[in-house]
Amino acid sequence: NAGVMQNPRHLVRRRGQEARLRCSPMKGHSHVYWYRQLPEEGLKFMVYLQKENIIDESGMPKERFSAEFPKEGPSILRIQQVVRGDSAAYFCASSPTFRQGGEQYFGPGTRLTVT
Amino acid sequence: GESVGLHLPTLSVQEGDNSIINCAYSNSASDYFIWYKQESGKGPQFIIDIRSNMDKRQGQRVTVLLNKTVKHLSLQIAATQPGDSAVYFCAENGSGANSKLTFGKGITLSVRP
Repeated sequence: NAGVMQNPRHLVRRRGQEARLRCSPMKGHSHVYWYRQLPEEGLKFMVYLQKENIIDESGMPKERFSAEFPKEGPSILRIQQVVRGDSAAYFCASSPTFRQGGEQYFGPGTRLTVT
Repeated sequence: GESVGLHLPTLSVQEGDNSIINCAYSNSASDYFIWYKQESGKGPQFIIDIRSNMDKRQGQRVTVLLNKTVKHLSLQIAATQPGDSAVYFCAENGSGANSKLTFGKGITLSVRP
C-alpha cells in the first residue's frame, strides 16, 4: 500500500510565477490536509479537503492561495504570483474515511524555493 | 488561543538511555494527542497517539503519558538508538474526528554513540 505521494519534491519558481503542488492520498483515504513548514518551525495547518469539498480553510492566506481535491486525480495546492515569503516545505497528509485515532499520514513534502 | 508547545528545543542522550520529551498544550477540548518524528528532508512520521480519555499508552519502545490536570504530554523512548535521532513534534487534533492538527515547534533529539 503506497503512502501519501507528493510531487514535485523540489520546485523553484521566480517571483510572480505560479506554483502547483500535487498530492495523492493513501489508498482508501478520503481526507486530505495541507500544511506549511518554515525552517526550524513546526507545521502550520492550511486547508482540509474531502473529495470536491473544502471543509476547513482557516489556515489559508486570503489571497493567492487555493486548493482543490477533485473527484478524479490528486489534490492540488496552487500559489499564484509567488513571493519570497512563500518559500517553505509544503506537506500533504491524509486520513481514512473512518478513523480509529487522531493520526494523519504525511507525504514527503514539496520544497518550494522562490528566487 | 490554542497552542501546543515544547519545553526544550534540544535533547542529547546517550545511546541505550531512556529519552523523555515533554510537551504542553492549552486546548482542553482536544480529542487526540499525537507524537510525530521528522527526519531531515522527510515528512513527519506518525509514532503514537493517545485519546483524551486515557492517561497512558504504550507502543514498541515508546510510551505516551497524558496529564490532563496540568495539560502535559510526554513521549518516553526506551533504550534510545542512533536511529531515533530526529525532530519530534507533539500535535493535537482539536475536537472532532477529522480536525486539523496543531503542532508544536519541535524538539531535536540527538543520540550520542
